Amino acid sequence: AQSVAQPEDQVNVAEGNPLTVKCTYSVSGNPYLFWYVQYPNRGLQFLLKYITGDNLVKGSYGFEAEFNKSQTSFHLKKPSALVSDSALYFCAVRDNTGGFKTIFGAGTRLFVKA
Amino acid sequence: GAVVSQHPSRVICKSGTSVKIECRSLDFQATTMFWYRQFPKKSLMLMATSNEGSKATYEQGVEKDKFLINHASLTLSTLTVTSAHPEDSSFYICSASPGQGVQPQHFGDGTRLSIL
Repeated sequence: AQSVAQPEDQVNVAEGNPLTVKCTYSVSGNPYLFWYVQYPNRGLQFLLKYITGDNLVKGSYGFEAEFNKSQTSFHLKKPSALVSDSALYFCAVRDNTGGFKTIFGAGTRLFVKA
Repeated sequence: GAVVSQHPSRVICKSGTSVKIECRSLDFQATTMFWYRQFPKKSLMLMATSNEGSKATYEQGVEKDKFLINHASLTLSTLTVTSAHPEDSSFYICSASPGQGVQPQHFGDGTRLSIL
């Protein structure tokens, strides 16, 4: 069975500092991996995805994520955090063995302090 | 880009009322849509997969008769919470994808349901 773990409920970082939001996954076969962001009382917005190819994936708003197969991780990163990045971040996985269902992690709240 | 519209954004109603939530894909066709329920402090729970022209696939523990899903066209899925009670109060979100496989899901803005 596929699963996603986001080990941190909350990440606090000062504006201008680099940020990392962690994600590990478990899936049979090769994974499709996604990051989404949610602002208060809104649906989720797509940030980036990893399907195949380069392990470093660049996405919206200056975010990037690194796929690490040996560690089964897909951590979200940004070199310099903004206060406006404060939101709820979800990692998600979809297996490519015929299923179409996407499984979401529990979410990590990012708080960027000015 | 692909846009998903969800309506209404907020509903407040009395216990025992049935509430219908609509999810529309505005610029693409979606044979499959998903309905999620989000609990306080974040957890996103998949309730069911809505399939155009056929019955929805419900996740374990989700009552089919309580949460009725209809996917009548390639651009519209509806979720009806029947005889709603206060414990059904939650944030409901739908999503759809222009295609299967590598395409990300696109989400509606959610519906805040409050049952008095």
